[in-house]
Amino acid sequence: NAGVMQNPRHLVRRRGQEARLRCSPMKGHSHVYWYRQLPEEGLKFMVYLQKENIIDESGMPKERFSAEFPKEGPSILRIQQVVRGDSAAYFCAGRGGMNTEAFFGQGTRLTVV
Amino acid sequence: AQTVTQSQPEMSVQEAETVTLSCTYDTSESNYYLFWYKQPPSRQMILVIRQEAYKQQNATENRFSVNFQKAAKSFSLKISDSQLGDTAMYFCAFRNNDMRFGAGTRLTVKP
Repeated sequence: NAGVMQNPRHLVRRRGQEARLRCSPMKGHSHVYWYRQLPEEGLKFMVYLQKENIIDESGMPKERFSAEFPKEGPSILRIQQVVRGDSAAYFCAGRGGMNTEAFFGQGTRLTVV
Repeated sequence: AQTVTQSQPEMSVQEAETVTLSCTYDTSESNYYLFWYKQPPSRQMILVIRQEAYKQQNATENRFSVNFQKAAKSFSLKISDSQLGDTAMYFCAFRNNDMRFGAGTRLTVKP
């Protein structure tokens, strides 16, 4: 859905640099999910956030990865000291209340060189 | 955590025919939501259909319908009158609070 904005669409980082991926859900949507997708594979759950709170981060590596969804502004997925294995497409999805579907952004393709 | 299983990595169907994609899930929850998403080569995730677990009636959206068997924890997707544009990866998803996806089924519609 064009309403969920992810940027950048493509990001190239050298090994050891930091990657910051942004996700702006649709207006009024306070729940955000982040997923990682390798080529020819499914979406692997990373983290679920609600405004200012991390609800479930069980899918996120404990080191180098962090996520936030502040009261104002987009949700940020941060990867510190990137390695080649971090290369993937990262998708976010946002939703409103419980009885609503999640809408996806177009993803950020991260390439670590 | 809930798990979602799609046992068919690849499927193919002739244009205008019907195909069914399988999905099973594992949960101890009684109230949840199930979804089928489509991912064409553009990689955009597109919602195809949704089902609330508390509703016994199977959801339908035009050519797409589901067979929801709550006791069996099964949620299959039927695509009728398949079209070339239906060629895509199809992902089954389970949501209570967090949302988990199956590994996907690659569907090819042949002319």
